[in-house]
Amino acid sequence: ETGVTQSPTHLIKTRGQQVTLRCSSQSGHNTVSWYQQALGQGPQFIFQYYREEENGRGNFPPRFSGLQFPNYSSELNVNALELDDSALYLCASSLTSGTRKTAYGYTFGSGTRLTVV
Amino acid sequence: AQSVTQLGSHVSVSEGALVLLRCNYSSSVPPYLFWYVQYPNQGLQLLLKYTTGATLVKGINGFEAEFKKSETSFHLTKPSAHMSDAAEYFCAVSDRELTGGGNKLTFGTGTQLKVEL
Repeated sequence: ETGVTQSPTHLIKTRGQQVTLRCSSQSGHNTVSWYQQALGQGPQFIFQYYREEENGRGNFPPRFSGLQFPNYSSELNVNALELDDSALYLCASSLTSGTRKTAYGYTFGSGTRLTVV
Repeated sequence: AQSVTQLGSHVSVSEGALVLLRCNYSSSVPPYLFWYVQYPNQGLQLLLKYTTGATLVKGINGFEAEFKKSETSFHLTKPSAHMSDAAEYFCAVSDRELTGGGNKLTFGTGTQLKVEL
């Protein structure tokens, strides 16, 4: 059973640039969520994708966008980077199953450390 | 809306002493509850989770937590602390089902555990 893998592990970008972070879900998981963890804080929910559609979003502006692919891998895109976007970005995969769409498991990747200068 | 309160941003114990990290939650629906551990510059590792059934949950590394609905608590304990337990611990709550807003994890602000000789 493979875990959740994220790439790259570290990234340095300049303010105003765009960045794409990637996540490969755990085998068998069909739902992916992205979280932002600023230094010294708990992770904050950015958005979630289920069946390739966004299914829930936190308090993040539209310049944070995402994609989920048929193989359940995912991307997080951030446009017009700001200094406050510097954080650890975590991807988590889970399994949504059944008519009530019950959620099972939340497995996190090791994260991508983004530094905006 | 769900929320998590972790009492004590920093907890210090002696090696071999009892570890008690406190977590209270608020949820309008039956929740899933989680404890995660994060070592410096790493992602989140699941310690244990409560979904249904037995309210005393055993996790990895000797940790356990008890779900007390009447107290809306999910405190984390370990009988005897080890130096390797020093890390940041996050309590989190989630909906059971993938609702329109997504079954996101809502995290507490974390408790930094220090283990002293």
